[in-house]
Amino acid sequence: AQTVTQSQPEMSVQEAETVTLSCTYDTSESDYYLFWYKQPPSRQMILVIRQEAYKQQNATENRFSVNFQKAAKSFSLKISDSQLGDAAMYFCAYSPYSGAGSYQLTFGKGTKLSVIP
Amino acid sequence: EPEVTQTPSHQVTQMGQEVILRCVPISNHLYFYWYRQILGQKVEFLVSFYNNEISEKSEIFDDQFSVERPDGSNFTLKIRSTKLEDSAMYFCASQSQGLGNSPLHFGNGTRLTVT
Repeated sequence: AQTVTQSQPEMSVQEAETVTLSCTYDTSESDYYLFWYKQPPSRQMILVIRQEAYKQQNATENRFSVNFQKAAKSFSLKISDSQLGDAAMYFCAYSPYSGAGSYQLTFGKGTKLSVIP
Repeated sequence: EPEVTQTPSHQVTQMGQEVILRCVPISNHLYFYWYRQILGQKVEFLVSFYNNEISEKSEIFDDQFSVERPDGSNFTLKIRSTKLEDSAMYFCASQSQGLGNSPLHFGNGTRLTVT
């Protein structure tokens, strides 16, 4: 069974600074997807960034980037120029590649990020 | 931007009662999901639904749970006889197509409290 581990229950960062959230996972699959989701106090889970395991290039979305180390099964999220609106719970998630096409996400326990003005 | 909407936002029910959680997925989406998050724990997959049938379900999704898409717009999760341990946040999600470049869109969740 796949597992996703986020070892940092809470993190804080000064506004405008950079922070990295850690995630490791365990799988025997070679094809899969990895995600970072953000859950602000509004509770809605919002996709931040996605990485396909077959792609060597790290995904980037504006201020958000990942460091994907497939051999080490590590998938960290870097937030640059942190903003107050980045304060939220961040979940790392894994999904196997499914020929049927549906995602069955396995989530980590989350990291609560606080942004200090 | 289209959103997944869930109602109610908070539901309180007594143990043993039936409860129906409602979701309106994004209109052109084809894949639908329910996840739950017990307070302080991980978000867990319950079930996925495609082409009017369950495509995958987890061990949590036992005979007490069922899903329906009765009218082509709503997607419901029914718990027949609620238990205390069913208290959780329940998230609905939808996906436009079952491909890797098609992300899940989540609703705001329904907080279910079983007393």
